[in-house]
Amino acid sequence: AQSVAQPEDQVNVAEGNPLTVKCTYSVSGNPYLFWYVQYPNRGLQFLLKYITGDNLVKGSYGFEAEFNKSQTSFHLKKPSALVSDSALYFCAVRIGSSNTGKLIFGQGTTLQVKP
Amino acid sequence: DTGVSQNPRHKITKRGQNVTFRCDPISEHNRLYWYRQTLGQGPEFLTYFQNEAQLEKSRLLSDRFSAERPKGSFSTLEIQRTEQGDSAMYLCASSVARGGSEKLFFGSGTQLSVL
Repeated sequence: AQSVAQPEDQVNVAEGNPLTVKCTYSVSGNPYLFWYVQYPNRGLQFLLKYITGDNLVKGSYGFEAEFNKSQTSFHLKKPSALVSDSALYFCAVRIGSSNTGKLIFGQGTTLQVKP
Repeated sequence: DTGVSQNPRHKITKRGQNVTFRCDPISEHNRLYWYRQTLGQGPEFLTYFQNEAQLEKSRLLSDRFSAERPKGSFSTLEIQRTEQGDSAMYLCASSVARGGSEKLFFGSGTQLSVL
């Protein structure tokens, strides 16, 4: 069965410091992996995706994610956090081999960036 | 604003009543998805349409739930004989089909509370 795990409910980081939000996955076959962000009272927004190719994927707002096949991880990173990055972050994996946007989401990690 | 629009934003109903939600996707998007999100959890896939055809329904979608997308434009999600367990945020997303790697554009959701 396919699954996604985000082991941290909350991550706290000081503004200007690097941040990492962790995600591990379990899939059969090649994974299609995504990160979405949810700001209060707004819909989820796409940040980035990994399909194939370079293990380091760059996305919106200066975020990047590193795909590690041996560790089955897809951690979200940013070199220097901003207070405005504070939000709820979801890792997701495409369900099965379907060529659709059907995703399994992790439970989410709240990122708190303090000034 | 040409994003995904969902109405109403909030719906409070009594157990046993029927409710209907509407989603207006981004106009050129041919795929439309419904997800459900409960507090502290990531969104869960319910169903999706390609144009006007409903191509898949999750086992989460009981017989009390029905979704339509007439003419391949807006979609409605109806819940009959609501139960307290139906209380959740109902999210709509749309996309342009791209072999399973497409970016989903989410609406702000409809928060359902069943008393």
